[in-house]
Amino acid sequence: KNQVEQSPQSLIILEGKNCTLQCNYTVSPFSNLRWYKQDTGRGPVSLTIMTFSENTKSNGRYTATLDADTKQSSLHITASQLSDSASYICVVSSGYSSASKIIFGSGTRLSIRP
Amino acid sequence: DAGVIQSPRHEVTEMGQEVTLRCKPISGHNSLFWYRQTMMRGLELLIYFNNNVPIDDSGMPEDRFSAKMPNASFSTLKIQPSEPRDSAVYFCASSLGSSTTFEVVAASREQYFGPGTRLTVT
Repeated sequence: KNQVEQSPQSLIILEGKNCTLQCNYTVSPFSNLRWYKQDTGRGPVSLTIMTFSENTKSNGRYTATLDADTKQSSLHITASQLSDSASYICVVSSGYSSASKIIFGSGTRLSIRP
Repeated sequence: DAGVIQSPRHEVTEMGQEVTLRCKPISGHNSLFWYRQTMMRGLELLIYFNNNVPIDDSGMPEDRFSAKMPNASFSTLKIQPSEPRDSAVYFCASSLGSSTTFEVVAASREQYFGPGTRLTVT
């Protein structure tokens, strides 16, 4: 069964600290993996997208890694800011045919405290 | 560009009533997606259009749900009759895409989400 699991469910850290969010998937065949940031009351915004051949991608203070062998991805946030408080959603796309699917993780709720 | 526009932002209705959600995609985008988000189930893709044609509606929960895209700048998601379990935030997203292959469009092209419509069915 295609699944995307994220951990932790929620996380609270102090402003300025670093943190890492995890995403494990059992999706096959794998196409690509995205990390989205969703602020409260808004739609998700794409942070990074990685295909099978990519193992790291950065977007400012956000760095995503992908290990296609272990089917794990992480999102590392450096020097956190209050504006980083949001839900972070891992999304894995499966397949290359018209029957391909997008599978969403349940998200990690990150709170940055001053 | 104003981004993806959704209306209404909030909708409260009674069980059994018809609900129509509206979406205006970003100008020039030819792919449009409807999603539903709940605390229990997270984000779920309901249906996807490419060049105004429905490509994948396998996520539509049941016959009470229907979606149309009469032109490139407008789409509706209708629920008739509505039920309390339909309460959720409904997002519309659009992206650039030139292929009818779901995966090519949905996976490789960035999707831009609207602000969502919060639906409450009492």
